[in-house]
Amino acid sequence: GDSVTQMEGPVTLSEEAFLTINCTYTATGYPSLFWYVQYPGEGLQLLLKATKADDKGSNKGFEATYRKETTSFHLEKGSVQVSDSAVYFCALSPRGGYQKVTFGTGTKLQVIP
Amino acid sequence: SQTIHQWPATLVQPVGSPLSLECTVEGTSNPNLYWYRQAAGRGLQLLFYSVGIGQISSEVPQNLSASRPQDRQFILSSKKLLLSDSGFYLCAWSLEGGELFFGEGSRLTVL
Repeated sequence: GDSVTQMEGPVTLSEEAFLTINCTYTATGYPSLFWYVQYPGEGLQLLLKATKADDKGSNKGFEATYRKETTSFHLEKGSVQVSDSAVYFCALSPRGGYQKVTFGTGTKLQVIP
Repeated sequence: SQTIHQWPATLVQPVGSPLSLECTVEGTSNPNLYWYRQAAGRGLQLLFYSVGIGQISSEVPQNLSASRPQDRQFILSSKKLLLSDSGFYLCAWSLEGGELFFGEGSRLTVL
């Protein structure tokens, strides 16, 4: 079945540091890929997505590129802020019909001033 | 625009008591609806999903049940809560494309 593996956390960075959160997936066909963010005490919000190979999703300074050859969708940001502290989830969804979204276990990011 | 609401936001219940969490979606028709549970410090576990009124699929056998009495209403229930039912419950909806839209979450503590 489908699966998503993302790096263990927590990740602690200083403000303005470069962020990478690794995500790899296993799926049949060509799924859509997502990053969701969860701030403390809240539900998840879509951060960015990519629907086909070589697509780059971007939002709020975050980027991730759909790499079919390495089955990866790593999240990056050039300069993190304290307000980026949250839990980040990588996810995939197969195409068509009912979509059962598969989530990674989440990576907690803490940014310190 | 579409919105999703779930309530109550916080709930403290004794073991053996019943549970009802409600979720409603506005601004869309015939959405797929989901209930997820997030245990403390852990990832998301899909509990139930629904592709239409009265159509419920369970992902994990457990003490909980779900119902969809109306197109945009999804209810999570239990007749008798267990300690292990404690967690953060999230309702979500989607259309085609796989993108999920989550509610604000309901934190359940079973004592």
